Amino acid sequence: GQNIDQPTEMTATEGAIVQINCTYQTSGFNGLFWYQQHAGEAPTFLSYNVLDGLEEKGRFSSFLSRSKGYSYLLLKELQMKDSASYLCAVVDSNYQLIWGAGTKLIIKP
Amino acid sequence: IAGITQAPTSQILAAGRRMTLRCTQDMRHNAMYWYRQDLGLGLRLIHYSNTAGTTGKGEVPDGYSVSRANTDDFPLTLASAVPSQTSVYFCASSDSAMDEQFFGPGTRLTVL
Repeated sequence: GQNIDQPTEMTATEGAIVQINCTYQTSGFNGLFWYQQHAGEAPTFLSYNVLDGLEEKGRFSSFLSRSKGYSYLLLKELQMKDSASYLCAVVDSNYQLIWGAGTKLIIKP
Repeated sequence: IAGITQAPTSQILAAGRRMTLRCTQDMRHNAMYWYRQDLGLGLRLIHYSNTAGTTGKGEVPDGYSVSRANTDDFPLTLASAVPSQTSVYFCASSDSAMDEQFFGPGTRLTVL
C-alpha cells in the first residue's frame, strides 16, 4: 500500500527554526509537494521537489532524498502566522497525488 | 471570478437527500479534483478529471459522482447523502498532476 508519514503535531518558539519531516512509501515517484493550511482555510502551495537536494524559498526550505523516501520542510525565523498545518504529498506512478495527514505546527511566543 | 470558487460555503442536509456541490475555475486548468478532509485523515481524493470530458475515481468514490462537461466546471453530486459524508469538501485545479494545485475555499457539509 501507499503511505506517507508525518508527525501529528509539533511545537516551536517564535524566532526559532523547526524541521517537519515526511517519509513516504509509494508506487513510483514523480515529485513531492508541501502545502500550508491555516485552520478553517484551504491548502496553499509552498514547494515542489522532484530532484534530490535542498530548495530554498525565503524563510522556507524543502529537502528531498529519493533513495531514502524522505523529505523535510525547514521553517526559519518562525512567526506567529506560521501556526498552521503542513501537508506533505507525493505524486505516484499513476500521477495521482497521495497526501499525508498533515503536521499541526504550534508557535509559542 | 478570480481563481477557483465553490458553492455553497456550508450546508446542513437531511440523510437521503440529493446534493450537488459546485466548483468553477477561471484559470483554464486541464485537471480538476474533489477532496474530502476529515480530522486526522488528511485530504482524500474522491474523483478527478484530467481534462474536459473525462473523469476518474479516486481513493473514496463511493456515494459520489462527478461530471466535466467543460473546462471550467466540475460539480460533485451526492445521490443519497449519509451521515458519514459529513466533511469539508475541497475542489482544486491544476495544469497537470505535477503542477501545484489551487484550492477553492471549501464547502462544509453536515448530513443529519
